[in-house]
Amino acid sequence: DGGITQSPKYLFRKEGQNVTLSCEQNLNHDAMYWYRQDPGQGLRLIYYSQIVNDFQKGDIAEGYSVSREKKESFPLTVTSAQKNPTAFYLCASSTDQRAEQYFGPGTRLTVT
Amino acid sequence: QKEVEQDPGPLSVPEGAIVSLNCTYSNSAFQYFMWYRQYSRKGPELLMYTYSSGNKEDGRFTAQVDKSSKYISLFIRDSQPSDSATYLCATLKIKAAGNKLTFGGGTRVLVKP
Repeated sequence: DGGITQSPKYLFRKEGQNVTLSCEQNLNHDAMYWYRQDPGQGLRLIYYSQIVNDFQKGDIAEGYSVSREKKESFPLTVTSAQKNPTAFYLCASSTDQRAEQYFGPGTRLTVT
Repeated sequence: QKEVEQDPGPLSVPEGAIVSLNCTYSNSAFQYFMWYRQYSRKGPELLMYTYSSGNKEDGRFTAQVDKSSKYISLFIRDSQPSDSATYLCATLKIKAAGNKLTFGGGTRVLVKP
């Protein structure tokens, strides 16, 4: 089955620790995205990548980092510099940036 | 002011009723319009995708875009309890530096049996 997988579904970390969220797709999509969703605020773009080895900051990139070494994978690292890391994180992909985006199931990160 | 505005709801309707959802946007540069459905604790699922003014129908769902008034709508006919979810509108702006998808905050819908 083609799709986007995110792991783990739930993640708990202590404040001050970096944590990496996984996103893998087997749709052969070129573009991949990371969003953050907070209650009542919709989705906000963190980072996006149009092709391998290239990525761009979104609206709220501070405190986050990404890599795109393979077409299928776009991991997101939430660093200790992110002031409010507790949120629902969603990964998406599309054939190119003009096309509709398809989302993974999300990872709920809780930092205490 | 947010670029895409959506009433957060909740919108409660009886089973079988028509659900009417709306979004307004402020930037006339937005060219593509989408509706996503999101169940609790799940990723959004694409429902409708359109790039022109007018209506687009897919089964029980109709998306309507009015670019002159910057207004987009989604209608769900013969609503079912399984339609209970949060509905997100989104707009896409094509830019040389990289295209951007902007979401509304979502409207929570509850269809009561």
